[in-house]
Amino acid sequence: QVQLQESGPGLVKPSQTLSLTCTVSGGSISSGNYYWNWIRQPAGKGLECIGRVYTSGSTNYNPSLKSRVTISVDTSKNQFSLRLSSVTAADTAVYYCARMWDRAYYFDYWGQGTVVTVSS
Amino acid sequence: QSALTQPRSVSGSPGQSVAISCTGTSSDVGGYNYVSWYQHHPGKAPKLIIYDVTKRPSGVPDRFSGSKSGNTASLTISGLQAEDEADFYCCSYAGAYTWLFGGGTKLTVL
Repeated sequence: QVQLQESGPGLVKPSQTLSLTCTVSGGSISSGNYYWNWIRQPAGKGLECIGRVYTSGSTNYNPSLKSRVTISVDTSKNQFSLRLSSVTAADTAVYYCARMWDRAYYFDYWGQGTVVTVSS
Repeated sequence: QSALTQPRSVSGSPGQSVAISCTGTSSDVGGYNYVSWYQHHPGKAPKLIIYDVTKRPSGVPDRFSGSKSGNTASLTISGLQAEDEADFYCCSYAGAYTWLFGGGTKLTVL
């Protein structure tokens, strides 16, 4: 059973960079053909895709966040990461990581989510 | 692109059926048969319960079913059980490697 777990600071100051890691267990991140995704949910709002990284390292980003987002994969640690620069209060949200098979159009496994607050 | 529209809340008694709608546009829900639904108990990982509009992953009870008509997809839960109480989110492919989610629906089992 694949499991995903987000980790990282719960508090980030405005204008700084938010950094989160998703650790994958129960399978190798580099085996199979999967996209590894970051999704967020601001309080009281719906879910929003941030972007994704393929096993090979190629990426797709939400156009509205593209200038500030970097998603990367570290196969040696079975992890993938999110960096979001120049954060503001609008980036306060629950951040989830999730998996998608490259022939599918749905997210089959998710992490529990981690709360990130942007505040000074 | 706007999020998909879901009712904020629905409720039903044990044993009853409820339906949750998810309305989009011809560019997302209406344009692709790639609607998925997720059940989310707070504090836990969201769980995939329906994909490709009507398909159920292994292990998901057949009490959960999905359908679509035009730009609106629906999740129906029959034979409501107490453990079904959760938040439900729809998601649709919207082309160009983008996915849109609904705002979520809170299901209360009375």
